[in-house]
Amino acid sequence: NAGVTQTPKFQVLKTGQSMTLQCAQDMNHNSMYWYRQDPGMGLRLIYYSASEGTTDKGEVPNGYNVSRLNKREFSLRLESAAPSQTSVYFCASSARTSEQFFGPGTRLTVL
Amino acid sequence: SQKIEQNSEALNIQEGKTATLTCNYTNYSPAYLQWYRQDPGRGPVFLLLIRENEKEKRKERLKVTFDTTLKQSLFHITASQPADSATYLCALDMTGGYNKLIFGAGTRLAVHP
Repeated sequence: NAGVTQTPKFQVLKTGQSMTLQCAQDMNHNSMYWYRQDPGMGLRLIYYSASEGTTDKGEVPNGYNVSRLNKREFSLRLESAAPSQTSVYFCASSARTSEQFFGPGTRLTVL
Repeated sequence: SQKIEQNSEALNIQEGKTATLTCNYTNYSPAYLQWYRQDPGRGPVFLLLIRENEKEKRKERLKVTFDTTLKQSLFHITASQPADSATYLCALDMTGGYNKLIFGAGTRLAVHP
């Protein structure tokens, strides 16, 4: 039982490059989330998915897209990376009204 | 918009004492509130959830209170240990129970031997 896994763990991009962050969970949760965490600002919700086939914007969606590929997987795509997207990205999953389980994070630097 | 305030200054306490962390919020009445622990370089780990109709919740050495009139939650760790040193985050559900959370910036706790 791996919980929530994320790949890659680290990534360095140049401005304008694209990339996809992958997330998978094996807990049969309906809900999945993408957050970013910046120093002094706490976790901010980028996008979430309440169930397979649905996605919705969070607090800071600009510059990102998501895909809920199936119940297990939820990916986050940066189409044209900007230095302001340098951050630590966390994926999480949960049953509807309960604790969220977080992955280990992806540390992204955009130069 | 919803705002959550946690003390940004680190809390330093001696081993064996009780640590008390504060979470204040504005502009909304959340269905429930959660507390998480985060260690450096790791993802947050869930600790406790308390619902709006509950005043207090306990789990081992942890206790959470929820005062919807004051719009405040207090998080207590009794008999603190150096292993309790971490950053503690509070999070509110802002969707009436659909688990879309707003997180505070967290308070760093350091427990000294």
